Amino acid sequence: DGGITQSPKYLFRKEGQNVTLSCEQNLNHDAMYWYRQDPGQGLRLIYYSQIVNDFQKGDIAEGYSVSREKKESFPLTVTSAQKNPTAFYLCASSSRLNEQFFGPGTRLTVL
Amino acid sequence: AQKVTQAQTEISVVEKEDVTLDCVYETRDTTYYLFWYKQPPSGELVFLIRRNSFDEQNEISGRYSWNFQKSTSSFNFTITASQVVDSAVYFCALGGYSGAGSYQLTFGKGTKLSVIP
Repeated sequence: DGGITQSPKYLFRKEGQNVTLSCEQNLNHDAMYWYRQDPGQGLRLIYYSQIVNDFQKGDIAEGYSVSREKKESFPLTVTSAQKNPTAFYLCASSSRLNEQFFGPGTRLTVL
Repeated sequence: AQKVTQAQTEISVVEKEDVTLDCVYETRDTTYYLFWYKQPPSGELVFLIRRNSFDEQNEISGRYSWNFQKSTSSFNFTITASQVVDSAVYFCALGGYSGAGSYQLTFGKGTKLSVIP
């Protein structure tokens, strides 16, 4: 089945650790996105990529990094510079101007 | 800059009641897209509808209907005869080009709908 997978579903990070969230899609979409959702809030864009080997900062990129070496994959690293990383992270993909399709999300908690 | 406002933070209705979720948007673009997504308790966002700025026809899909009015910059969503399974957070989103020239979605903060049996 075509879709977007994210792993892990739950992730726990200690202070000072970097962690990487996985996002894979088999929809053959060019564009991929990472969003952060905090309780009672909407989605805020962290990074996006419109094509392989290219990505752009979104509204809240500080403390995060990404790579786009393959069309299907867009991993997000939450670095130790991100002071408040506890949140729900959603990955999405889309083809050009069409709707974005979302993965199931990763819930990150800092211990 | 683009902006989406969902003024209703939370709504509770009794099952079988109709409910309308409001969405007001701001954009300077002449061509843009509007979306509604549903986020059930599981967390994954489910796409419901896309509308482009040139198509003001209302749309009905089963118990769901959407009213797009450019004159008031609104894209409201109505659920008829609500059911418990409709309980979720609903997001309105606006698609357009950012200052950097790339296409992005701007989301409202969502409306949490609770349908009481």
